[in-house]
Amino acid sequence: GQNIDQPTEMTATEGAIVQINCTYQTSGFNGLFWYQQHAGEAPTFLSYNVLDGLEEKGRFSSFLSRSKGYSYLLLKELQMKDSASYLCAVTGSSASKIIFGSGTRLSIRP
Amino acid sequence: EAGVVQSPRYKIIEKKQPVAFWCNPISGHNTLYWYRQNLGQGPELLIRYENEEAVDDSQLPKDRFSAERLKGVDSTLKIQPAELGDSAVYLCASSRDVNEQFFGPGTRLTVL
Repeated sequence: GQNIDQPTEMTATEGAIVQINCTYQTSGFNGLFWYQQHAGEAPTFLSYNVLDGLEEKGRFSSFLSRSKGYSYLLLKELQMKDSASYLCAVTGSSASKIIFGSGTRLSIRP
Repeated sequence: EAGVVQSPRYKIIEKKQPVAFWCNPISGHNTLYWYRQNLGQGPELLIRYENEEAVDDSQLPKDRFSAERLKGVDSTLKIQPAELGDSAVYLCASSRDVNEQFFGPGTRLTVL
């Protein structure tokens, strides 16, 4: 079976750093995605990790450890507009089929 | 470049009524996906098309749901008859390759 776990909710302070963790169990592995979804809007692509290690893109970074079935999304210099749900998603044995986690709802306080 | 277009954006119907959603993917994207997203959950794949062929419809409730992509471009998803539990956001996405899916704004369905 396939299972993706991430915290349901997190709160952080504007200007700070937050790390959102994701663990997964899948039959086969092709890659791991992070998507951002603001309330009432569609998910938008943030990152895609295939190999172990850290991928940095501006204020956002994503890390993957395939041996541990673990990833995290790191958000730096938090802004109020970062308040959103962050979805971890994995492609298993079928590279075109993405399985999404339930998402982590991140609230940023001033 | 235009994004994924979906219509309608909102739909309210009574149970047992039929409903249809339409999606026009990004030009050149051969792969099209229909997802259902319940409140507080991640999107759940209903069906995936490669051009006009449905290559993964294992999660589609075939007793009441149907989909088509006749010319390998735009697609429709239909529910007949709708049930209360079908209330959700129905998202369409398209991709050129496996690295990134682009999502449409979704159709928010409310079944009364």
